[in-house]
Amino acid sequence: DSGVTQTPKHLITATGQRVTLRCSPRSGDLSVYWYQQSLDQGLQFLIQYYNGEERAKGNILERFSAQQFPDLHSELNLSSLELGDSALYFCASSVGAVPGNTIYFGEGSWLTVV
Amino acid sequence: GNSVTQMEGPVTLSEEAFLTINCTYTATGYPSLFWYVQYPGEGLQLLLKATKADDKGSNKGFEATYRKETTSFHLEKGSVQVSDSAVYFCALSPTQGGSEKLVFGKGTKLTVNP
Repeated sequence: DSGVTQTPKHLITATGQRVTLRCSPRSGDLSVYWYQQSLDQGLQFLIQYYNGEERAKGNILERFSAQQFPDLHSELNLSSLELGDSALYFCASSVGAVPGNTIYFGEGSWLTVV
Repeated sequence: GNSVTQMEGPVTLSEEAFLTINCTYTATGYPSLFWYVQYPGEGLQLLLKATKADDKGSNKGFEATYRKETTSFHLEKGSVQVSDSAVYFCALSPTQGGSEKLVFGKGTKLTVNP
């Protein structure tokens, strides 16, 4: 158990809908990262927050947004869903914003868009 | 930019065989290097890491040495077990560019047969 909690574990939704994925980082961790894992794209970095502020942005679509709340939990919002958005979405956390610090991953949220 | 290249799988071995999974990287400066493992149906777990040249990371019988001269971080295990069957990801965390986010290789699926 990494200490990173993601909900829901699985969800199935229809095209055009909107979903919210939730992440609670490890106790004491200030950085939260979101990754998307799909068969064709592999593990893609989406976005990072550090202590409530956006720190880095990767290949995140404009239909997707995220935020980190004062209690440090984070949410990833996916809207106008398309079939191609079906993937495993990982949240991860680390203590700070220091190169080389260990990043711990949750078990992921499986999203299926039908 | 930063990138990681792993040997393509899948890799199939018999129990007690020697394992090598090659990983090379491209990065500015001196990144930290990681191996993560994903067991079937689970999230990513940190297997080992190295933060500077010539460091050796080790865990559960797996080893990898940070080779700056060859920009490599090959994963090795002397005697694999069936329980090692999983997907292995090589990753780097850059020390330049404003974010310590992980950049992953495409993953190598290992199957160990009894």
